[in-house]
Amino acid sequence: GAVVSQHPSWVICKSGTSVKIECRSLDFQATTMFWYRQFPKQSLMLMATSNEGSKATYEQGVEKDKFLINHASLTLSTLTVTSAHPEDSSFYICSARDPTGMNTEAFFGQGTRLTVV
Amino acid sequence: QQPVQSPQAVILREGEDAVINCSSSKALYSVHWYRQKHGEAPVFLMILLKGGEQKGHDKISASFNEKKQQSSLYLTASQLSYSGTYFCGTISGANNLFFGTGTRLTVIP
Repeated sequence: GAVVSQHPSWVICKSGTSVKIECRSLDFQATTMFWYRQFPKQSLMLMATSNEGSKATYEQGVEKDKFLINHASLTLSTLTVTSAHPEDSSFYICSARDPTGMNTEAFFGQGTRLTVV
Repeated sequence: QQPVQSPQAVILREGEDAVINCSSSKALYSVHWYRQKHGEAPVFLMILLKGGEQKGHDKISASFNEKKQQSSLYLTASQLSYSGTYFCGTISGANNLFFGTGTRLTVIP
């Protein structure tokens, strides 16, 4: 199956700083990538859809100025958590699906555990 | 709106069977099933695309009742490796994948 690589696997940062998470599709071109957030013992909640060459689409309740998404190439999407606060501590995970089909499986990155202290 | 799964959690002994249900308040055009181990990314299990479709691999199978907007995942003769949290997923009109509330499955010896 397709491989999606996410980096870093974990990060600890201080309140008020920014953190960038990278998501790469290694063997296919992903015009669209998806960013999820998962709090402990909860489901994965879609935050935003990252579109190559255009603005990301954010889900209701997700602050676009706080969670900056850039999809500059067909293989790379980045999520930057700006002015991080302890409540932003969570498991962030990206995914990509074959852009040629509506109903194709999602391939996930390994996830990034963010801890804001 | 997020699909609702039941039960929220279940404990099985090795060799026992389990059923996990996924119900949506919106029309379902397809259903995905994933399993996630603690601290890891979800792993794809299967997709059901048509109402009435049933699909399986090894001892894990699923069905899709389009009219009832429901899907069920069946695990038979469970193994220790089946432990994890199971999520159903539905596709929105914008081709986004939304996950259900999750079912935590624990298989004990």
